[in-house]
Amino acid sequence: GQSLEQPSEVTAVEGAIVQINCTYQTSGFYGLSWYQQHDGGAPTFLSYNGLDGLEETGRFSSFLSRSDSYGYLLLQELQMKDSASYFCAVRWRGAGGFKTIFGAGTRLFVKA
Amino acid sequence: EPEVTQTPSHQVTQMGQEVILRCVPISNHLYFYWYRQILGQKVEFLVSFYNNEISEKSEIFDDQFSVERPDGSNFTLKIRSTKLEDSAMYFCASTDREASVSPLHFGNGTRLTVT
Repeated sequence: GQSLEQPSEVTAVEGAIVQINCTYQTSGFYGLSWYQQHDGGAPTFLSYNGLDGLEETGRFSSFLSRSDSYGYLLLQELQMKDSASYFCAVRWRGAGGFKTIFGAGTRLFVKA
Repeated sequence: EPEVTQTPSHQVTQMGQEVILRCVPISNHLYFYWYRQILGQKVEFLVSFYNNEISEKSEIFDDQFSVERPDGSNFTLKIRSTKLEDSAMYFCASTDREASVSPLHFGNGTRLTVT
């Protein structure tokens, strides 16, 4: 089966940097994605890592180490609007095709 | 920017009743998915659908559930004989291709409340 582990919540102050870690166990692994979800909203795609290394998109960066089955999302220059839940998600290939499985989510609280 | 749209936004039903949740995926997308999220919990995969058939389903997606693409634009999830534990937010998602990098585009969800 597939499993993902990420911290349940993280608190940081405005302007700071925060890192949300994710470890996974899965067969047929293709890549790791990150999604953001505000309360009452839909998950929205942030980033994808298929290969080892760092991907940067503005204030957000994501890292993957396939050998360690580990990745993280790095949020810089935190803003109040970044308060949300962040889900890591494994993209893997089963018998019927690709499937995306989500972790339990990390709730980020940004304080002034 | 094109969106996935879901209706209704909130559905209240009595236990034992059937409900149909509707989704209109992004028009050029070919791969469709249903996920559910019980309040405060993770987003759980239910089913994926391509070329008018189910390609993958989870253990949650039992005989109580079915999906259909009745025409060229709608994608529906039917829940027969609803149970209290079916109360959740149901998200529809679509992707344009079955590549590992394709992000899921989610609709805003239907909140299903079973009383």
